[in-house]
Amino acid sequence: EAGVAQSPRYKIIEKRQSVAFWCNPISGHATLYWYQQILGQGPKLLIQFQNNGVVDDSQLPKDRFSAERLKGVDSTLKIQPAKLEDSAVYLCASSLDLGEPREQYFGPGTRLTVT
Amino acid sequence: AQSVAQPEDQVNVAEGNPLTVKCTYSVSGNPYLFWYVQYPNRGLQFLLKYITGDNLVKGSYGFEAEFNKSQTSFHLKKPSALVSDSALYFCAVRVRGNNRLAFGKGNQVVVIP
Repeated sequence: EAGVAQSPRYKIIEKRQSVAFWCNPISGHATLYWYQQILGQGPKLLIQFQNNGVVDDSQLPKDRFSAERLKGVDSTLKIQPAKLEDSAVYLCASSLDLGEPREQYFGPGTRLTVT
Repeated sequence: AQSVAQPEDQVNVAEGNPLTVKCTYSVSGNPYLFWYVQYPNRGLQFLLKYITGDNLVKGSYGFEAEFNKSQTSFHLKKPSALVSDSALYFCAVRVRGNNRLAFGKGNQVVVIP
């Protein structure tokens, strides 16, 4: 079974530039999550999708972050414009559905450095 | 709001010795509890979870964890540590009826040969 795929693996941009991350979840997984993991901290949920609908985006900084999952499979997370404090690893995860208590399967992450 | 505390930044243990990684949680309601492990340059991997029932949960790679409701703890244990167990370990909690998973800050485990 193929795991969660993410690209790119690394990205370096200057502040005020824009960046986009892509995620392909495990086949058949209805629920998709984007997390932000700052160095020395645990992952923090940014947004959660069930199929192509948003379940929870209460911790997403909506003035600069956006995410979509148009066909209920792949997802993109965008930051525009980036700030220095956005430097982090962005993790995508998926689970079979929202039924409790499903474990989440994580991708390798995208390490973003904002200079 | 749910939260997790992992009080130690790093746990050092000699190979072959028992390994314990501590986790306490705070929730309003009944918790689901998880342990994940993160190896360098790789995503988090699921180790085990507590849902209900038996307080001792067994998971992958010989790990187990004990749910203690009175102490609000869910410590991860392994009877005999391997050098390959060196990694970053995260405890996470979710409340029934709430889909959000709250992670602790993680514990670096170093197993010394």
